[in-house]
Amino acid sequence: ETGVTQTPRHLVMGMTNKKSLKCEQHLGHNAMYWYKQSAKKPLELMFVYSLEERVENNSVPSRFSPECPNSSHLFLHLHTLQPEDSALYLCASSPSGASYNEQFFGPGTRLTVL
Amino acid sequence: DQQVKQNSPSLSVQEGRISILNCDYTNSMFDYFLWYKKYPAEGPTFLISISSIKDKNEDGRFTVFLNKSAKHLSLHIVPSQPGDSAVYFCAASEGQTGANNLFFGTGTRLTVIP
Repeated sequence: ETGVTQTPRHLVMGMTNKKSLKCEQHLGHNAMYWYKQSAKKPLELMFVYSLEERVENNSVPSRFSPECPNSSHLFLHLHTLQPEDSALYLCASSPSGASYNEQFFGPGTRLTVL
Repeated sequence: DQQVKQNSPSLSVQEGRISILNCDYTNSMFDYFLWYKKYPAEGPTFLISISSIKDKNEDGRFTVFLNKSAKHLSLHIVPSQPGDSAVYFCAASEGQTGANNLFFGTGTRLTVIP
């Protein structure tokens, strides 16, 4: 595997379910990110991890819970979601959390909440 | 309020001609700008960037122009090829603050007609 991978690629869940999204980067990067892309809206940054520490939480509801066990893996744990949480969830990584670095994105997980 | 705007949701160009994609921003603290390209079912891929100390950056067929006084940047693709058909996202960051948070526009769908 190369680059940034995300699993699953598609997920359908009910509002009472608990599920997790997984992201893995094979680039040796130190920073990882979760983004949400809703229809006709720009990508919205949700969380930033640098060296496995969360450095940013953009007022994301607590029903989204990130976890970064090491610099290569990032999870997004989901519970009691709402239908408006249906979106494309993108993971990205960069060489560090410092500035002037481009981010490398995974293919995304298309989430549908029923 | 959206800090990065791409006011044209779509653009069609004949193969071999120039494609010009535009982006406006409102935050004068932005000093690093990137363009990403996205194919269906894939994550955004980095295309080209420019820092605020420059007004032009060129990479092969792709050139980005930055007009700081107008808070405007544009991506020129010449000559356009059918494989360039994709959604193009403009992004910006406040690199001078040390953060690598990217603010994205809503994207412009480019169609290159053979």
